[in-house]
Amino acid sequence: ETGVTQTPRHLVMGMTNKKSLKCEQHLGHNAMYWYKQSAKKPLELMFVYNFKEQTENNSVPSRFSPECPNSSHLFLHLHTLQPEDSALYLCASSPFTEALEVNIQYFGAGTRLSVL
Amino acid sequence: GQNIDQPTEMTATEGAIVQINCTYQTSGFNGLFWYQQHAGEAPTFLSYNVLDGLEEKGRFSSFLSRSKGYSYLLLKELQMKDSASYLCAVMDSNYQLIWGAGTKLIIKP
Repeated sequence: ETGVTQTPRHLVMGMTNKKSLKCEQHLGHNAMYWYKQSAKKPLELMFVYNFKEQTENNSVPSRFSPECPNSSHLFLHLHTLQPEDSALYLCASSPFTEALEVNIQYFGAGTRLSVL
Repeated sequence: GQNIDQPTEMTATEGAIVQINCTYQTSGFNGLFWYQQHAGEAPTFLSYNVLDGLEEKGRFSSFLSRSKGYSYLLLKELQMKDSASYLCAVMDSNYQLIWGAGTKLIIKP
């Protein structure tokens, strides 16, 4: 148990569907992150929220829409995805996004997404 | 550009020692992290280096040379459960983690 829970663990969707991924952290952290992990590629940072405010959007297509209603919850809304969006989507949290102290990110187990 | 390089795959024998190397070129440096990720599971934090030298944690040690842009993770007394991917990441000047593609470590009996 890492303190970061993601649901669902697996998701299969068609290109015209709309779905949402959910992430919840029980660690009292103030920053939350969405990453995309594709086979044999580095983790790609998608979005960062710090104290519920979005501070990073790394040129992610608009078919991915994040939502952070509070510091404990993070959503990724998906619509009209493409097959190349199939990947493992990881959520992480950390105490801060900028700090002189060690700012360790804690990850959820991810949602394995397949777009047909 | 920013780049983290680590071997794609390594194989080692149970009970032996293995060293996983990581070289980096980033805009700024605020520390280097190693994570372990078992198949289908969350990446979990292993170690953090911000100063040159060796940090030891039980069977795992991590080394950093900032002047060489180089780190390694040393795993001793390998166990079958150590079979996993090991991810190297550097925190850049914007406090963002730049990740390597990971090293898949296979442990054989």
